[in-house]
Amino acid sequence: GQQLNQSPQSMFIQEGEDVSMNCTSSSIFNTWLWYKQDPGEGPVLLIALYKAGELTSNGRLTAQFGITRKDSFLNISASIPSDVGIYFCAAPAPSGSARQLTFGSGTQLTVLP
Amino acid sequence: KAGVTQTPRYLIKTRGQQVTLSCSPISGHRSVSWYQQTPGQGLQFLFEYFSETQRNKGNFPGRFSGRQFSNSRSEMNVSTLELGDSALYLCASSLGITPEKLFFGSGTQLSVL
Repeated sequence: GQQLNQSPQSMFIQEGEDVSMNCTSSSIFNTWLWYKQDPGEGPVLLIALYKAGELTSNGRLTAQFGITRKDSFLNISASIPSDVGIYFCAAPAPSGSARQLTFGSGTQLTVLP
Repeated sequence: KAGVTQTPRYLIKTRGQQVTLSCSPISGHRSVSWYQQTPGQGLQFLFEYFSETQRNKGNFPGRFSGRQFSNSRSEMNVSTLELGDSALYLCASSLGITPEKLFFGSGTQLSVL
C-alpha cells in the first residue's frame, strides 16, 4: 500500500521561530490533510488541501499541496508554546474510499520558551 | 455542535476477553471510521461504515469487527484480546460527501494485561 514519509520525526525550536515539515510519497493523491494531536487526545484537523498547487492558511499555519501531487508541506510561523504536539499528514487512498486515510508517522514538535 | 464522542475513555482488560467500544458521530454525519494508534505502528485504518454498511476494511484480523446503527452511532468489537491489541482506538466521523473532512474523537485507551 501507499506510504507517507513524514519528516522531520521531531523538532525542538525556540518560541517565536518558524517551523516547516513535509510529507512525501511515491503515490499520487487527490487530497492532503494535516492534523495535530495533543497527548491523550484525538487528532484535530488543521488544514485540508484538495487541489495540486493549492496554498491554504489557517492563522499562523500554512500548508501547500505539491504540484506533483506526491507531497505536501506545513509551515507554522512565530511558534508559541501551545503549538507543542504531534503533527500528522494524511491522505486517502486514491483507489479507495476518501475516508480511508493513510497517515504519516508524525512530527513531534517541542517549543522551548 | 457536539463533537465526536467515544466511550469509554479508558478500559483495562485481560487476554482472551472481548471488548466493545462506542462512538457517536457529529450530528448529521453519516460516516464513521475506526483507527488504531500504537507507538510502533502509528495510526492504522480499521474499517469504515456508511449508512449502516461496512464500506472498507483495513488489514486487521477477523477478531476486529464493527457495526453502525440507523442513528449513525457505531460500535467496534475486539474478541479474544491479545496483548498487542493495547492501543488508542480512534473514531472519526464525516459527512460522507466529497470533499471529505474527517473529525476525530478523543479515543478509547485500551490496555490488555
